[in-house]
Amino acid sequence: GAGVSQSPSNKVTEKGKDVELRCDPISGHTALYWYRQRLGQGLEFLIYFQGNSAPDKSGLPSDRFSAERTGESVSTLTIQRTQQEDSAVYLCASSLTSNEQFFGPGTRLTVL
Amino acid sequence: GESVGLHLPTLSVQEGDNSIINCAYSNSASDYFIWYKQESGKGPQFIIDIRSNMDKRQGQRVTVLLNKTVKHLSLQIAATQPGDSAVYFCAAHTGNQFYFGTGTSLTVIP
Repeated sequence: GAGVSQSPSNKVTEKGKDVELRCDPISGHTALYWYRQRLGQGLEFLIYFQGNSAPDKSGLPSDRFSAERTGESVSTLTIQRTQQEDSAVYLCASSLTSNEQFFGPGTRLTVL
Repeated sequence: GESVGLHLPTLSVQEGDNSIINCAYSNSASDYFIWYKQESGKGPQFIIDIRSNMDKRQGQRVTVLLNKTVKHLSLQIAATQPGDSAVYFCAAHTGNQFYFGTGTSLTVIP
C-alpha cells in the first residue's frame, strides 16, 4: 500500500527565501510528526499533530518555522527567511497510535 | 525530556557474524522503544520495538534487549548480511514525543 510521501525530494533555495515542504501521511493515520535531521546527527523533533487536538510545537527552533495540517491528511512545513543552518533533511512520519511511526523519504533542503 | 545516545558511531562486522548495537536513554518514564534502520537517502525504517514492561523481544534475525535498571537498550542482528549495512537509530517514547539517538553506522565486510 501507499506509504508516507514527501515533496519535493530535494529543494535548493537562496538564503532569505521561504520554502514549503509537503507531507502526505498514510491514509487513516491520526498522528503526524515532523523531524529535522542534520548531517551525521539524530532526528530532532519539530512538531506533532494528533487528530483535531492542538499541535505540540515545542520542537520548532524559531518563529520562522511553522506547520499546518488539514484534518488528518496532508501537512505542510513552512520555513520563512531561510538560513544556511536550516539545511538538513526534513522527515515526516505518521502513525495510527502513539506507537510505530512510518517515515517518508524526507526532503533534503539546501540553503545557499 | 529525554536524552538518547548510542555508544558507538560506527561498527564494522564480518559477514555472517552477529552485530550488537547499544543505546542508552535517560528518562525512566520512557515507555516504548523502537529500533530503526536508515539506508542512505531514505527515511528510517522500523525494525523492531519493545515496551517497557518487557525485557526481550525477538524478530526475524533481530533481538532487542531492554535493561530498565541501567536504562540501556540493545539491538542484536544475527548472521549479519551485506544488506544490513545502514545507520541504526534507537528511539525512546516519552509523553507525546519520540527522542532519537544519533545513530550507529553499521558496515558489513564481505
